[in-house]
Amino acid sequence: KAGVTQTPRYLIKTRGQQVTLSCSPISGHRSVSWYQQTPGQGLQFLFEYFSETQRNKGNFPGRFSGRQFSNSRSEMNVSTLELGDSALYLCASSLGTGRGNEQFFGPGTRLTVL
Amino acid sequence: AQTVTQSQPEMSVQEAETVTLSCTYDTSESNYYLFWYKQPPSRQMILVIRQEAYKQQNATENRFSVNFQKAAKSFSLKISDSQLGDTAMYFCAFMKHVRDSGGSNYKLTFGKGTLLTVNP
Repeated sequence: KAGVTQTPRYLIKTRGQQVTLSCSPISGHRSVSWYQQTPGQGLQFLFEYFSETQRNKGNFPGRFSGRQFSNSRSEMNVSTLELGDSALYLCASSLGTGRGNEQFFGPGTRLTVL
Repeated sequence: AQTVTQSQPEMSVQEAETVTLSCTYDTSESNYYLFWYKQPPSRQMILVIRQEAYKQQNATENRFSVNFQKAAKSFSLKISDSQLGDTAMYFCAFMKHVRDSGGSNYKLTFGKGTLLTVNP
């Protein structure tokens, strides 16, 4: 079974631009979560989607948004990029029900904002 | 809000020896899960071991085991017979169990991590 895939793997943007990151979960997984990883703040939860609905949201500004499609694929969008948005963005998928809460992570998208 | 603390930013161990990584957490919840994740230099995060708070028995996975002390809110990871491939950043993580009509909600709160180096 294929693992969680994220595209693109690397991205360079300039301040003020916007960016969209994509995540394809493991087949059959309905929950997708996003995390931001930086050396200073560590791993921080962004949001979680289940069946196209956002169920949880972390403490990030409204510039960070996401969505999930009917096939469970998810996208994350960051508008008006700031230098501090440079980070590794990790996506994780889960079955989403009952005790199937193990999260499987993708390789991440490395975003650099210049 | 939940917090997870890993007090050891870096540790090193000799190959074949045993090492213990510490983790404490703070929560008012009674039903939750605890995890140890490993992130090797390649950056792919991998689940090492999981513990359900309602289970008193400590989880084990081959060379990896935990010491779960619920009253003390402590969740340490022991790695026996350390191997070079164990070199990685290790993250302790907490998940509150919340069930709604659509299933359980998943949100991991991570510690800052412990960089473990296994020396030959």
